[in-house]
Amino acid sequence: NAGVTQTPKFRILKIGQSMTLQCTQDMNHNYMYWYRQDPGMGLKLIYYSVGAGITDKGEVPNGYNVSRSTTEDFPLRLELAAPSQTSVYFCASSYSRSLSLRRYVGYTFGSGTRLTVV
Amino acid sequence: DQQVKQNSPSLSVQEGRISILNCDYTNSMFDYFLWYKKYPAEGPTFLISISSIKDKNEDGRFTVFLNKSAKHLSLHIVPSQPGDSAVYFCAASERKNYGGATNKLIFGTGTLLAVQP
Repeated sequence: NAGVTQTPKFRILKIGQSMTLQCTQDMNHNYMYWYRQDPGMGLKLIYYSVGAGITDKGEVPNGYNVSRSTTEDFPLRLELAAPSQTSVYFCASSYSRSLSLRRYVGYTFGSGTRLTVV
Repeated sequence: DQQVKQNSPSLSVQEGRISILNCDYTNSMFDYFLWYKKYPAEGPTFLISISSIKDKNEDGRFTVFLNKSAKHLSLHIVPSQPGDSAVYFCAASERKNYGGATNKLIFGTGTLLAVQP
């Protein structure tokens, strides 16, 4: 059982380039999320999805786009990379809130993508 | 506006002693709190959680205490082991009155725990 898989693990982009961070999960979770972690800043929510075809903005969505065509996949797109997007990106998935509360479990995270924009 | 705060960036304890990690929150609509543990170059992993209807939840060496009146929670690790050395994130989930809650979590900034052998 792979859980949440993120690719690539590392990437260096030049300013203005674009790329897609891939995320896939095999736990049949409806809910998926993208977070970024900056030093000393905790985890900030970029976008989330409550099911295939449904996405919404989080706290820091500017400069990013997402799509959710299947339950398993939730790619994050950077169109015009900027130095401010240098960060570690984490994808996560979960059950619905009610099911999570009954089971007392939280998110399952991927291992992260370290992105540097130069 | 930081709704979930971990005011101690780091903590160092001796092996076998108790580790106490603290977390404060400001949003009274939070009703579900979690702790995550993160090793370098890995994603955070779920550790333990507590509902706001409880004041304590225990799982082996890990206990989370919740003080709703003070909007404060803490994670106790007893006894601490070198393998516990990691960054610990506190997270909170907000109850939505209209239902259909998204299960979004608000994370604190993390506390780096170092357990010395």
